[in-house]
Amino acid sequence: EAGVTQSPTHLIKTRGQQATLRCSPISGHTSVYWYQQALGLGLQFLLWYDEGEERNRGNFPPRFSGRQFPNYSSELNVNALELEDSALYLCASSRGQWDTQYFGPGTRLTVL
Amino acid sequence: AQSVTQPDIHITVSEGASLELRCNYSYGATPYLFWYVQSPGQGLQLLLKYFSGDTLVQGIKGFEAEFKRSQSSFNLRKPSVHWSDAAEYFCAVGEPQGAQKLVFGQGTRLTINP
Repeated sequence: EAGVTQSPTHLIKTRGQQATLRCSPISGHTSVYWYQQALGLGLQFLLWYDEGEERNRGNFPPRFSGRQFPNYSSELNVNALELEDSALYLCASSRGQWDTQYFGPGTRLTVL
Repeated sequence: AQSVTQPDIHITVSEGASLELRCNYSYGATPYLFWYVQSPGQGLQLLLKYFSGDTLVQGIKGFEAEFKRSQSSFNLRKPSVHWSDAAEYFCAVGEPQGAQKLVFGQGTRLTINP
């Protein structure tokens, strides 16, 4: 069974640009979660999508947004990039209401 | 609000020695509890989880953890570490009927001496 996949592996942007990160969940999983792992800040919950809807978001500004497609894959968009957005962005998926979250390898975003 | 504390930022043990990583949580009821491991530059791999039932949980790679309600703890143990266990370990809690997000501790970096 294939795990959670994320693309790209690395992404380099400049301040003010937009970044798009993609995630494909494990087959059969309908929930997708996004977390940010920034240096010194630890792992922080960003967004949760289930059945195509945003169900919950963490304490992040609106320029962090995303969506979930009919095939349950997901996209995270970060607009107006700031230097402090540099981080590893991890995607996780689960079967739905309170199943274990399985994580992908992450996308390393660097903002210059 | 729930929170997780991993008191040890960095631990060094010798190969073959036993290991215990500490995790304390703050939550009104019994949360769902997890331990994940992260190798450098990698994502998180689930080691084990506790939802209910037997308070001693067995995981992958020879790890186990014990849930102690009275101490609000969920410590991770391994009787004999291998050099390949060097990584960062994260304890996480989730709300059984909550917003489906995980709250992570700050992590414990494990170094293995040969």
